[in-house]
Amino acid sequence: RKEVEQDPGPFNVPEGATVAFNCTYSNSASQSFFWYRQDCRKEPKLLMSVYSSGNEDGRFTAQLNRASQYISLLIRDSKLSDSATYLCVVNRDDKIIFGKGTRLHILP
Amino acid sequence: NAGVTQTPKFRILKIGQSMTLQCTQDMNHNYMYWYRQDPGMGLKLIYYSVGAGITDKGEVPNGYNVSRSTTEDFPLRLELAAPSQTSVYFCASGLGTSAPGANVLTFGAGSRLTVL
Repeated sequence: RKEVEQDPGPFNVPEGATVAFNCTYSNSASQSFFWYRQDCRKEPKLLMSVYSSGNEDGRFTAQLNRASQYISLLIRDSKLSDSATYLCVVNRDDKIIFGKGTRLHILP
Repeated sequence: NAGVTQTPKFRILKIGQSMTLQCTQDMNHNYMYWYRQDPGMGLKLIYYSVGAGITDKGEVPNGYNVSRSTTEDFPLRLELAAPSQTSVYFCASGLGTSAPGANVLTFGAGSRLTVL
């Protein structure tokens, strides 16, 4: 079993829709959690950290459920510029492990 | 602010050749990482370092070596290039604390390597 697993995608959703990404991690000792965004042929960039209490940044909401070892990302009112690959990331000890990513296409 | 700088951006190697991918950061980060990303796939951790003089294996270390003689530099060496090492390589650095939300990574722009 991979340490970080994500929905395979791709997700094709119309502009303005709400889209949710799911991620599970296998090691309960994982300490920190993140969502990164990667545009085509570019380096990944931090979208947001994920806290146990859940956190929101504008149209983006991240949730963490440590008991279920599950992380989610919700994007509301999606924009064309949200088209990208979204990477679920877990920090365990000194290692930072990436999921395969879920590609999102926002359709005009 | 340079951040994380990788060189070269592109390189074509023949099977069996060796080369070093350079990575340097100017943010005084203790933690540095090397990842590879194959087409349509996520990032796989090759090696990482928590400080000068300390390196450790990641998920896919075979065929690679690293060193960390200074805080700023973390070169990745391929000794005998193989077609399976064709990939995009990303170097990243971070502060390295385990506090929730910490250890955010800053990435270099990537090095695209083709082995023929």
